[in-house]
Amino acid sequence: TQLLEQSPQFLSIQEGENLTVYCNSSSVFSSLQWYRQEPGEGPVLLVTVVTGGEVKKLKRLTFQFGDARKDSSLHITAAQPGDTGLYLCAGPGGYSTLTFGKGTMLLVSP
Amino acid sequence: DAGVIQSPRHEVTEMGQEVTLRCKPISGHDYLFWYRQTMMRGLELLIYFNNNVPIDDSGMPEDRFSAKMPNASFSTLKIQPSEPRDSAVYFCASSPPSRGGSQETQYFGPGTRLLVL
Repeated sequence: TQLLEQSPQFLSIQEGENLTVYCNSSSVFSSLQWYRQEPGEGPVLLVTVVTGGEVKKLKRLTFQFGDARKDSSLHITAAQPGDTGLYLCAGPGGYSTLTFGKGTMLLVSP
Repeated sequence: DAGVIQSPRHEVTEMGQEVTLRCKPISGHDYLFWYRQTMMRGLELLIYFNNNVPIDDSGMPEDRFSAKMPNASFSTLKIQPSEPRDSAVYFCASSPPSRGGSQETQYFGPGTRLLVL
């Protein structure tokens, strides 16, 4: 089973700050997905990255897939309280399944 | 369109009781997944179905856990007898037919928060 390690585990910041969270593996992934899980809800897909070195932007969120396709990062600019949640990365786990990292819990205070 | 529907949203029961969790996937999706989420272990895949057929149940922790999918619009996860260590959030997710190698999106329900006393 391919493992995905996410860091940091927890992050507490003030509104307006920038932050980066990471997803790393010793294995190569054909693609990676990022999900956000808000308190009391299920995870929701934010983005899928498929090409090494790819950068995708979603408003204030910037996602990057490593050149070697073993890692990915999520950068948030000017974080807002609405960004609070658990950020999960996921890669193909074989036959239509996903392998999830344990996530980074982000708390953005006003 | 309605998303994945799970019931109940919360369940509190006593050790030894039977617990049944229910899921209605998104219409047209042919994959259904059951996950368990805890702080310690994160999101774990328990079992998944393709076209109502169980494909892999290797994630089911014990024989106390069982899952069925009698038709394309309904699945259950049953725990009998329940134990305190089963306390967790249980998610159901569905995904559309695979498009030849691409990583499909999984659509999650809101989860069932189970507490076994």
